Amino acid sequence: EAQVTQNPRYLITVTGKKLTVTCSQNMNHEYMSWYRQDPGLGLRQIYYSMNVEVTDKGDVPEGYKVSRKEKRNFPLILESPSPNQTSLYFCASSLWGRTDTQYFGPGTRLTVL
Amino acid sequence: GQQLNQSPQSMFIQEGEDVSMNCTSSSIFNTWLWYKQDPGEGPVLLIALYKAGELTSNGRLTAQFGITRKDSFLNISASIPSDVGIYFCAGTGANSKLTFGKGITLSVRP
Repeated sequence: EAQVTQNPRYLITVTGKKLTVTCSQNMNHEYMSWYRQDPGLGLRQIYYSMNVEVTDKGDVPEGYKVSRKEKRNFPLILESPSPNQTSLYFCASSLWGRTDTQYFGPGTRLTVL
Repeated sequence: GQQLNQSPQSMFIQEGEDVSMNCTSSSIFNTWLWYKQDPGEGPVLLIALYKAGELTSNGRLTAQFGITRKDSFLNISASIPSDVGIYFCAGTGANSKLTFGKGITLSVRP
């Protein structure tokens, strides 16, 4: 089954404790992206990757890092999480040049205390 | 930057009613998309529109790409309880970046 998977689905952590949210897709997509969703703000892009070893900042990249060492994986790293990073995070992927039809993962709900 | 406007933030309708949602932009978009997000899930693409004036249906859903390329609407006919969720419009402009609206939460009363 074609899908985007994220782990963990739920995470509660404390300020300053480094964490990684994994994202994996099995559709051989070149493009991958991370979004955060907050009430009243919709989906805002954090980082995206056009292909392996190619990443770029989205609209709200501060406090986040990403890496793209393999085509299928695109982890989101929070080196020193803060409470304002409490949010619902979505990973998405698509074929190169088809960012208009992205497939979304199920989401990761992160709470930073 | 590119921005998409969706309002109101919430809509409440009776089962069986039709509902229309609008999405507007201050700049021209080349692609318009409508996504639905069920509670606890990621957004799922409902309809994609690629040409100005294009009208596309997907079951009880119909969406149109506005002639000015600055707006799009989504109609849901004969609503049912499983239509509840958040409906996002999205689009790509000259820079091919996908921009999302803030979403409309739809509630359907049985």
